[in-house]
Amino acid sequence: NAGVTQTPKFQVLKTGQSMTLQCAQDMNHEYMSWYRQDPGMGLRLIHYSVGAGITDQGEVPNGYNVSRSTTEDFPLRLLSAAPSQTSVYFCASSEGGARPYGYTFGSGTRLTVV
Amino acid sequence: AQKITQTQPGMFVQEKEAVTLDCTYDTSDPSYGLFWYKQPSSGEMIFLIYQGSYDQQNATEGRYSLNFQKARKSANLVISASQLGDSAMYFCALGSWGKLQFGAGTQVVVTP
Repeated sequence: NAGVTQTPKFQVLKTGQSMTLQCAQDMNHEYMSWYRQDPGMGLRLIHYSVGAGITDQGEVPNGYNVSRSTTEDFPLRLLSAAPSQTSVYFCASSEGGARPYGYTFGSGTRLTVV
Repeated sequence: AQKITQTQPGMFVQEKEAVTLDCTYDTSDPSYGLFWYKQPSSGEMIFLIYQGSYDQQNATEGRYSLNFQKARKSANLVISASQLGDSAMYFCALGSWGKLQFGAGTQVVVTP
């Protein structure tokens, strides 16, 4: 039972480079979401998806793109990395409905932009 | 707009004592969930407890209980009989329709 798998665990990028953070879940969850956590702060929502083909913006979407072509995968793309995007990124999934019980988180990706 | 507030940046608690972590929220959605997560220094997010907005009884999970006061929009976490392994950051989160909004967190340090 893998749960939510994020890759890579660590990444260093140069300013202006692009990359994709991968997130995959094997629980057949409808909902998936991406968060960033800056030092000493709570998690902030970047983008989320309520099902394959459906995505929406969260609190801090600028500089990031997402798509959801399958139920299992929800990649996060950094278009042109900036030092302000240095953060820890978490992907989460949950069952559907208005009040899903329990969101399962991946182990996170620590991204540094230099 | 949704808002979630944790007013205690940090606290110390002695081993075997109980500790209450405060959380207040604001939302216009009639249907929502309240969650508490633990984040140890290793960084992973560990789910502790959930309370649905229509649940009549307060949630309990082992040593964790959630004091849910809907009219006051508060969802405080109580950890009974604290252990050294409880030292971590604790986040309250408000969730609905697939997305979570987190508070700033409370750092708990359990001392012998």
